[in-house]
Amino acid sequence: QLQLQESGPGLVKPSETLSLTCTVSGGSISSSSYYWGWIRQPPGKGLEWIGSIYYSGSTYYNPSLKSRVTISVDTSKNQFSLKLSSVTAADTAVYYCAICIAAAKFDYWGQGTLVTVSS
Amino acid sequence: EIVMTQSPATLSVSPGERATLSCRASQSVSSNLAWYQQKPGQAPRLLIYGASTRATGIPARFSGSGSGTEFTLTISSLQSEDFAVYYCQQYNNWPPALTFGGGTKVEIK
Repeated sequence: QLQLQESGPGLVKPSETLSLTCTVSGGSISSSSYYWGWIRQPPGKGLEWIGSIYYSGSTYYNPSLKSRVTISVDTSKNQFSLKLSSVTAADTAVYYCAICIAAAKFDYWGQGTLVTVSS
Repeated sequence: EIVMTQSPATLSVSPGERATLSCRASQSVSSNLAWYQQKPGQAPRLLIYGASTRATGIPARFSGSGSGTEFTLTISSLQSEDFAVYYCQQYNNWPPALTFGGGTKVEIK
């Protein structure tokens, strides 16, 4: 069964870049059937889609975050990554990575990682 | 952007009773709608996709219906483990965009 695990710093300073990695096990990130995505959830609030990437490298981003987001894939490590630049306190959230199989619904999720933006 | 609106924000239900949750889209999303369950401290779990198809391992007491702009998630007889927050998500205009509803919290009455 596919499993996903987020990793990265839990604390980021304002104006800096948030960087997270999602490691995939139990399947290949190069599969043509899958989209890989990032979703976040501020404390006590709802879910917000950040963006997704196809195995080919095609990327799609939430328009509200597009100017600050980069998602990439490293097939050699079976990982995909998120970079969010110029962060503020509003970017404090639990960040989840997830996979879409055959349609753009999120079939499997990582456990999530809390990233706090603070000086 | 397609806006997803869920109602009510909070639903108080007794164990064993039926729960009916609503999700409305600002424009038609056909049947390209998913439902998720999220318990405190956990990642969301896919329950329903294609508006009415249960995901693998999801009990039959969960059912989804609707198409176009109006959708419903029904839990036929609430079990203790069903008290959680439920989110809908549209994927009709994918690519390039996906949107979630604001969630409905199902709490014990």
